[in-house]
Amino acid sequence: DAKTTQPTSMDCAEGRAANLPCNHSTISGNEYVYWYRQIHSQGPQYIIHGLKNNETNEMASLIITEDRKSSTLILPHATLRDTAVYYCIVSGDSGTYKYIFGTGTRLKVLA
Amino acid sequence: DTAVSQTPKYLVTQMGNDKSIKCEQNLGHDTMYWYKQDSKKFLKIMFSYNNKELIINETVPNRFSPKSPDKAHLNLHINSLELGDSAVYFCASSLPSLGRPRTQYFGPGTRLLVL
Repeated sequence: DAKTTQPTSMDCAEGRAANLPCNHSTISGNEYVYWYRQIHSQGPQYIIHGLKNNETNEMASLIITEDRKSSTLILPHATLRDTAVYYCIVSGDSGTYKYIFGTGTRLKVLA
Repeated sequence: DTAVSQTPKYLVTQMGNDKSIKCEQNLGHDTMYWYKQDSKKFLKIMFSYNNKELIINETVPNRFSPKSPDKAHLNLHINSLELGDSAVYFCASSLPSLGRPRTQYFGPGTRLLVL
């Protein structure tokens, strides 16, 4: 079973920030939080990862709560091309580093 | 340059046949994976190899046999194909950095349809 829970779907207006939440209350100390997205049936695309500090890259920002039990992926200015299924995954050496995918959040960016 | 590539992209075959899917990565990674995404879109890990050694083997029928000729390649051979094998198969690779994040990079997928 996935170690994360995410809302099934979300809508976001084009140009606005998309905030995608993820709960991972059983995360272990050495497990990272990864975010991927899958557009149509393409291969999952890496977005960002973090351990405990907030992270930002050219695609998104990742906010991890102090207790590490939840995180939020922020797409600062969503475009139509950001419409996809977003997966939050926790993984580390406690699980042989394997990814266990949940059902993800289907984000629809609206024009 | 394609980082993780898979061939073929599409595969349509009859029940009972044997088929192979190939995966190659040019990222210099040591660890490679196979995932299956079924019709309900659930993505599940099947196998993982690190430097040609099997390290993850999930509950997968014996008809599925991964083969890693070198650390840049991980092929998936499927014997006696069944209707339920119809799915999209994704290959991925990562660096095996101990104690550090192992970000996985995925290929474009192979769409297998068993008739």
